[in-house]
Amino acid sequence: DSGVTQTPKHLITATGQRVTLRCSPRSGDLSVYWYQQSLDQGLQFLIQYYNGEERAKGNILERFSAQQFPDLHSELNLSSLELGDSALYFCASSVNLNTEAFFGQGTRLTVV
Amino acid sequence: QKEVEQDPGPLSVPEGAIVSLNCTYSNSAFQYFMWYRQYSRKGPELLMYTYSSGNKEDGRFTAQVDKSSKYISLFIRDSQPSDSATYLCAMSTYDKIIFGKGTRLHILP
Repeated sequence: DSGVTQTPKHLITATGQRVTLRCSPRSGDLSVYWYQQSLDQGLQFLIQYYNGEERAKGNILERFSAQQFPDLHSELNLSSLELGDSALYFCASSVNLNTEAFFGQGTRLTVV
Repeated sequence: QKEVEQDPGPLSVPEGAIVSLNCTYSNSAFQYFMWYRQYSRKGPELLMYTYSSGNKEDGRFTAQVDKSSKYISLFIRDSQPSDSATYLCAMSTYDKIIFGKGTRLHILP
């Protein structure tokens, strides 16, 4: 158990809908990262937060947004969902910026 | 040139063999070097991390970093079928973590 908690584990929703994925980082970790992994693909970096502030953006679509709250948990919001958004979404956390990161078990999103 | 290059495999080796997994990189600013293991559809698990050149050993795993050649390796001794997974290298600077695409490893019983 990495100490990073992601909910829900599975999500099935229809095209055009909006969903929210939640991540609780390890105790004491200030940095949170979000990644997308499609079937048999590598990890695609979406966005990073550090102590409540956005620090880096990767290939995140405009339909997607995220935030980190004062208690350091983070949420990833996905809207106007398309079939191609079906993927595993991982959250990771680290103590400082870009040191060793620990991953949660992911949320498997299926858009039908 | 990609910042991090990793052979996707698959790499198949017999049980008990020594496995060598490698990544090359182009950005000399990388400071932290990490190896992750990912089982199918599971979250990547941190195996090793280091920030200096040389070797770091943990049980059957040895991570090696050669900053002059921009080359990192992960060695697995006495490989087991349970080691069959995808192995990802990762490297970081102050403002980003970059992952390799991963090497699929199969340990044959």
